[in-house]
Amino acid sequence: EVQLVQSGAEVKKPGESLRISCKGSGYSFTSYWISWVRQMPGKGLEWMGRIDPSDSYTNYSPSFQGHVTISADKSISTAYLQWSSLKASDTAMYYCARQGRYYGDPFDYWGQGTLVTVSS
Amino acid sequence: SYVLTQPPSVSVAPGKTARITCGGNNIGSKSVHWYQQKPGQAPVLVIYYDSDRPSGIPERFSGSNSGNTATLTISRVEAGDEADYYCQVWDSSSDHQEVFGGGTKLTVL
Repeated sequence: EVQLVQSGAEVKKPGESLRISCKGSGYSFTSYWISWVRQMPGKGLEWMGRIDPSDSYTNYSPSFQGHVTISADKSISTAYLQWSSLKASDTAMYYCARQGRYYGDPFDYWGQGTLVTVSS
Repeated sequence: SYVLTQPPSVSVAPGKTARITCGGNNIGSKSVHWYQQKPGQAPVLVIYYDSDRPSGIPERFSGSNSGNTATLTISRVEAGDEADYYCQVWDSSSDHQEVFGGGTKLTVL
């Protein structure tokens, strides 16, 4: 069974750093890309960027480029999303999603989401 | 960047047909995917490549795509179909970005 299991909810202060994770199982982790998707409270889905776990190639949405870093450790089938300096506006639910290795493939499996709350 | 436009809300009576549109410039030349998101849950893929259904998705869900509009059609709507629905495409013209529509809240009356 394909599963993407994300790390638990986080409460942070502005300016702090954070890394959340997404562990894949039930499939070959390097055969699919992983994307990260943000959902702010009461709002829609926003694509942040993707990583190819086989070689760690990434590309980002211009809206998130420079503010977050996506990485992966294929030895433990885990992708990461990290911030070096959180802002209150980063408060949101973050989902990882699996995508086939062709541009245009759908997001066929999703993690359960990680709620990040940034508040002083 | 490519923009996808969805109506904020659609309402339908049980047993009737719901149609949720997704507008974009020449969207018919792109592959459209649709996701269902119920409150407090992660999104679920319901239609991919315009009109294919993943295993486990009822045949009541179908999709089409032509010209400037893609449509998700839900036949014989049930109370359990009440959710937010999002369309999504890959924008080949802007460094391989993925784009989501703003989402449509389907209300079953």
